[in-house]
Amino acid sequence: DARVTQTPRHKVTEMGQEVTMRCQPILGHNTVFWYRQTMMQGLELLAYFRNRAPLDDSGMPKDRFSAEMPDATLATLKIQPSEPRDSAVYFCAISPESLDTQYFGPGTRLTVL
Amino acid sequence: AQTVTQSQPEMSVQEAETVTLSCTYDTSESDYYLFWYKQPPSRQMILVIRQEAYKQQNATENRFSVNFQKAAKSFSLKISDSQLGDAAMYFCAYRSAVGGSQGNLIFGKGTKLSVKP
Repeated sequence: DARVTQTPRHKVTEMGQEVTMRCQPILGHNTVFWYRQTMMQGLELLAYFRNRAPLDDSGMPKDRFSAEMPDATLATLKIQPSEPRDSAVYFCAISPESLDTQYFGPGTRLTVL
Repeated sequence: AQTVTQSQPEMSVQEAETVTLSCTYDTSESDYYLFWYKQPPSRQMILVIRQEAYKQQNATENRFSVNFQKAAKSFSLKISDSQLGDAAMYFCAYRSAVGGSQGNLIFGKGTKLSVKP
């Protein structure tokens, strides 16, 4: 969806390396969600922000994952150190303030060797 | 906690025919939203249709329609005149409306739809 972009689209890294994924919502979409998709677990929520403040990050492994929203048009998800079990597709989704629907970015496919 | 169940891991339909994908959910809430998302091989998550629980009328978007049975907690998706481009994974999702909007989605495991020419 053109409302949100994600970079990189693909990332291959080695275990132990830091990974940063970016999500850029169009202004006016004040709630940002991070989801992870794996074959085993399906789609699951990692964290979400409203007006740049974290509201729920209970789905995120706290010891290695961190999510921030430094400004209204940038959200980041970092993994440090990365592990092979982190291999997945990571989606950012946004929800316009006036709507109840979430629109997804194209996702980042992460492979940790 | 809310759960969403899609009991059909895979479905197949002949081009131009109609197919129905099943979804059931469990919740104690009375106000919520339900969605169907499509994920083609490109893995982009595309919104297909949405339904507000307080509306009795079933949502319709062109060839896509839902059968929403609130009492039975059922939310099936009907695709009419199936096209090759409909082949994808379809995910049913639930979102609470408690405390206002902007809550996270809870997804089912998905149904892989194949369309035969």
